Amino acid sequence: EVQLVESGGVVVQPGGSLRLSCAASGFNFDDLAMHWVRQAPGKGLEWVSLITWDGVNTYYADSVKGRFTISRDNSKDSLYLQMNSLRAEDTALYYCVKSLTTVRLSGTVYYYYYYMDVWGKGTTVTVSS
Amino acid sequence: EIVMTQSPATLSVSPGERATLSCRASQSVSSNLAWYQQTPGQAPRLLIYGASTRATGIPARFSGSGSGTEFTLTISSLQSEDFAVYYCQQYNNWPQTFGQGTKVEIK
Repeated sequence: EVQLVESGGVVVQPGGSLRLSCAASGFNFDDLAMHWVRQAPGKGLEWVSLITWDGVNTYYADSVKGRFTISRDNSKDSLYLQMNSLRAEDTALYYCVKSLTTVRLSGTVYYYYYYMDVWGKGTTVTVSS
Repeated sequence: EIVMTQSPATLSVSPGERATLSCRASQSVSSNLAWYQQTPGQAPRLLIYGASTRATGIPARFSGSGSGTEFTLTISSLQSEDFAVYYCQQYNNWPQTFGQGTKVEIK
């Protein structure tokens, strides 16, 4: 059974830093890309970041670019989100999400499309003084 | 970034009836469109990917259609467990973006 267990969410002051972790099990973690997605209290879903299976490519929402860093340790089946310069608007439930991929070949170029498969239960980050 | 717009915001439906949810993209996302279901207090669940392919274990009463900028999620006969919030999401371009959600409530 696929399991994703997030941890690290706490109350932090504006301007502070935090690292979230996600422990994965039940699948070949080092074969798959992974996402972070967040949901502010009472609000909708916001995609935050993705990292490819090998950690070479990373992508970010504009709202977190330059402040958050996604990383992974395939030897530990773990995903991370380093969050710096935190703001009140970063307050949310943060989900770790397993990705699946579709591939399109156009000429000699491969295009990869990553969608979200299994979600963890999330960890809560509150930014408040 | 691509803006995803869902309609209606709330849909009131009786059990056993059909529900039709719409999602529009501000520019073409080809067929790189997914639908997710979220019940209260739970994490979202993948229903549909590639605009029309049901995810593993998803009942046949859920179907997706569309391509380009216009997409539809249809629930053919609503069951009690289907009353939830539904989100569409495009994964064709970076950053990936979600719609604001459609709440399906009991009429």
